Amino acid sequence: NAGVTQTPKFRVLKTGQSMTLLCAQDMNHEYMYWYRQDPGMGLRLIHYSVGEGTTAKGEVPDGYNVSRLKKQNFLLGLESAAPSQTSVYFCASSQGTEAFFGQGTRLTVV
Amino acid sequence: DQQVKQNSPSLSVQEGRISILNCDYTNSMFDYFLWYKKYPAEGPTFLISISSIKDKNEDGRFTVFLNKSAKHLSLHIVPSQPGDSAVYFCAASVQGAQKLVFGQGTRLTINP
Repeated sequence: NAGVTQTPKFRVLKTGQSMTLLCAQDMNHEYMYWYRQDPGMGLRLIHYSVGEGTTAKGEVPDGYNVSRLKKQNFLLGLESAAPSQTSVYFCASSQGTEAFFGQGTRLTVV
Repeated sequence: DQQVKQNSPSLSVQEGRISILNCDYTNSMFDYFLWYKKYPAEGPTFLISISSIKDKNEDGRFTVFLNKSAKHLSLHIVPSQPGDSAVYFCAASVQGAQKLVFGQGTRLTINP
């Protein structure tokens, strides 16, 4: 009964380093999303996917790339991390309008 | 441009009383609205939703009201319990667009 699983849970990066956040869902959902949560800003959509092999930009896509090679996985990449990308990242999946979220990844860029 | 707004960053309510959380939206194309609850160090969890064809939806202690003309929705929790202390996010979508737009969140604290 895993639902949506994010890896890793915590990470500290130096400015300019790269990393990939992995999201896996076992609910066979078509839609997957990456959000970031910052104080006073709520949850803002970074990128999303409406099916395997598709990706689209959300509200705050700059500095991030995504891939959805398999239906169950949605990867978020940071090619050159910046302090402004310090945030808590949430992955979500959906088959309708109700989205199910992972537990979050806390990323700090120093 | 904040399309979904929760203007109260925090709310404190006594246990047993009613909690009312408010949310306003600007995009008249939104036709589906949701409330999520979030505890620290956890992901948001779905609480209740309402379609624009309705003006009220109830689920146990939770009721969501939608006023389309005012572009306003509210979540009522009655009676409030200590376990309701969390951050509540309002979200909206255009059905078919499959994207949820979230408000900033309201931190609800239930005092014993």
